[in-house]
Amino acid sequence: RKEVEQDPGPFNVPEGATVAFNCTYSNSASQSFFWYRQDCRKEPKLLMSVYSSGNEDGRFTAQLNRASQYISLLIRDSKLSDSATYLCVVNGRDDKIIFGKGTRLHILP
Amino acid sequence: SAVISQKPSRDICQRGTSLTIQCQVDSQVTMMFWYRQQPGQSLTLIATANQGSEATYESGFVIDKFPISRPNLTFSTLTVSNMSPEDSSIYLCSVVSAGVNTGELFFGEGSRLTVL
Repeated sequence: RKEVEQDPGPFNVPEGATVAFNCTYSNSASQSFFWYRQDCRKEPKLLMSVYSSGNEDGRFTAQLNRASQYISLLIRDSKLSDSATYLCVVNGRDDKIIFGKGTRLHILP
Repeated sequence: SAVISQKPSRDICQRGTSLTIQCQVDSQVTMMFWYRQQPGQSLTLIATANQGSEATYESGFVIDKFPISRPNLTFSTLTVSNMSPEDSSIYLCSVVSAGVNTGELFFGEGSRLTVL
């Protein structure tokens, strides 16, 4: 099992819709989880941290499910500007930061 | 937050040559990282640049191929040596704002390398 796995997509979603995607991780001892956003030909930037109690920031909600070892990202009322690749980031073995391959999201007008 | 300047932003190089990428941070940071992102792939950590000591390389990466310098707490360089087309990639410098477990990773804009 890969350390961090994501559905590569692309997810093609009409503007205004709600979209959600998950990321699974293999190391049950992982403590830190993040969602990063990467626009085309740009560097990744932190979107939000994922706390055990969940985390909401405007239209974005991130949740952690330790029992099933996955984190999720929910985007409500999607905007054209949400089109990007969303990277799941987990601290893996030996505190190494592991990036998922990313999920591509296309918001359609 | 941290502002990272990375250069060159892009380069086209001939096989067998070497290229040095520079990373300058606007504040002193303990941990600096070098990542590679190949087309369609995620970020892969090459090494952690340590100030005052040799860099710590990840599995599959060696010092002879990717020598790293870290002369102070705000600057680092990564050299891609004896390049081949397989080295074509984006190379990203990164720093962490606090501890690895709690801190946010900040990235430079990346250096897009094409090897002919």
